[in-house]
Amino acid sequence: SAVISQKPSRDICQRGTSLTIQCQVDSQVTMMFWYRQQPGQSLTLIATANQGSEATYESGFVIDKFPISRPNLTFSTLTVSNMSPEDSSIYLCSVDSANTGELFFGEGSRLTVL
Amino acid sequence: GIQVEQSPPDLILQEGANSTLRCNFSDSVNNLQWFHQNPWGQLINLFYIPSGTKQNGRLSATTVATERYSLLYISSSQTTDSGVYFCAVPDNYGQNFVFGPGTRLSVLP
Repeated sequence: SAVISQKPSRDICQRGTSLTIQCQVDSQVTMMFWYRQQPGQSLTLIATANQGSEATYESGFVIDKFPISRPNLTFSTLTVSNMSPEDSSIYLCSVDSANTGELFFGEGSRLTVL
Repeated sequence: GIQVEQSPPDLILQEGANSTLRCNFSDSVNNLQWFHQNPWGQLINLFYIPSGTKQNGRLSATTVATERYSLLYISSSQTTDSGVYFCAVPDNYGQNFVFGPGTRLSVLP
């Protein structure tokens, strides 16, 4: 199984600011996934980040709002830009096992936007 | 795209009781996972179970892929079992996972 570390674990942010979430994996992985979980809701995929190429965004999510970096095979960042209270969510980084396809998650970053 | 349903949406148990959570999916899959999200928001892998039955302590899971459902059994529930249980399956392209809406479990002492 993969060990995934996310920072920050939680933050309180002001409206209009931006915050970058970091995700570090203990092994090299091809794809990293970013999910959003709004309060009381299930998980929704924001984008898939491949090393060396642009991230692939799901319907309803755009690069200007959620820019993603993937500088190497063990690290990725997600920025939540120009935040509003509607962006208050848990943001989760995940990877899948190359052998089985099993999905593993970081601890999540709980953002509250005032 | 593939649809995932979970039932019941909410469940309240007394400590020591048993429960069964269900996950239905609309298309054939070759992968299915159950997760437990604890009250702090952390997602914990419970089972990777594309088919058959697996057991881990007080928890077990069964997936009947041909009938497009999976069951998660919790026996002798404890207060630490509280949280939200999600099942997830790959989308129709096999690239990403689609999560069900979850079952919120509360185990009372």
